[in-house]
Amino acid sequence: ETGVTQSPTHLIKTRGQQVTLRCSSQSGHNTVSWYQQALGQGPQFIFQYYREEENGRGNFPPRFSGLQFPNYSSELNVNALELDDSALYLCASSWEGAGTGELFFGEGSRLTVL
Amino acid sequence: SQQGEEDPQALSIQEGENATMNCSYKTSINNLQWYRQNSGRGLVHLILIRSNKREKHSGRLRVTLDTSKKSSSLLITASRAADTASYFCATASNTGGFKTIFGAGTRLFVKA
Repeated sequence: ETGVTQSPTHLIKTRGQQVTLRCSSQSGHNTVSWYQQALGQGPQFIFQYYREEENGRGNFPPRFSGLQFPNYSSELNVNALELDDSALYLCASSWEGAGTGELFFGEGSRLTVL
Repeated sequence: SQQGEEDPQALSIQEGENATMNCSYKTSINNLQWYRQNSGRGLVHLILIRSNKREKHSGRLRVTLDTSKKSSSLLITASRAADTASYFCATASNTGGFKTIFGAGTRLFVKA
């Protein structure tokens, strides 16, 4: 067990709605990365937060946004949901000082958009 | 977009056999990592090899890295039914902070 917790574990939304997913980092970790994993695919990098600032972004539109809080927990917000947003959303924490990029994952939030 | 490709996409073997998965990537890297994912769960880190190394062992795992060919392989020896999972290679590059990018994965099924 990694110590990274995500909530909710499952949720169902309809097209056009907004969703907020939450993540608590492993103790001592200062970096949070978010990934989207469609069924049968590898995790796609959405963005990374380091010390409350966005520190890199993948090929995702602006309606995907995030926050990192002083305690290093994080939120992923998705506006104007589309059917293709249905996926497993994974949060991973890491310690930038390790200099490796090794990630510790939560169990994910499975989002279904109808 | 994903960093590279894994081969094969799916692999089915008998318990006790060895399983080999290959990964190719596109850009320069600091290290390459392999992760495991049980169905629909979070990913678990298995092993990391730095870009200046060619081979690394950990228990039943053996990883090789060829930076000239931008490729890696993961060997699982004496496989067990419990090894059934998806395996992903991931490359880490320090571009203003380490970013870890995943491949599409190999689905391994080990038959008892």
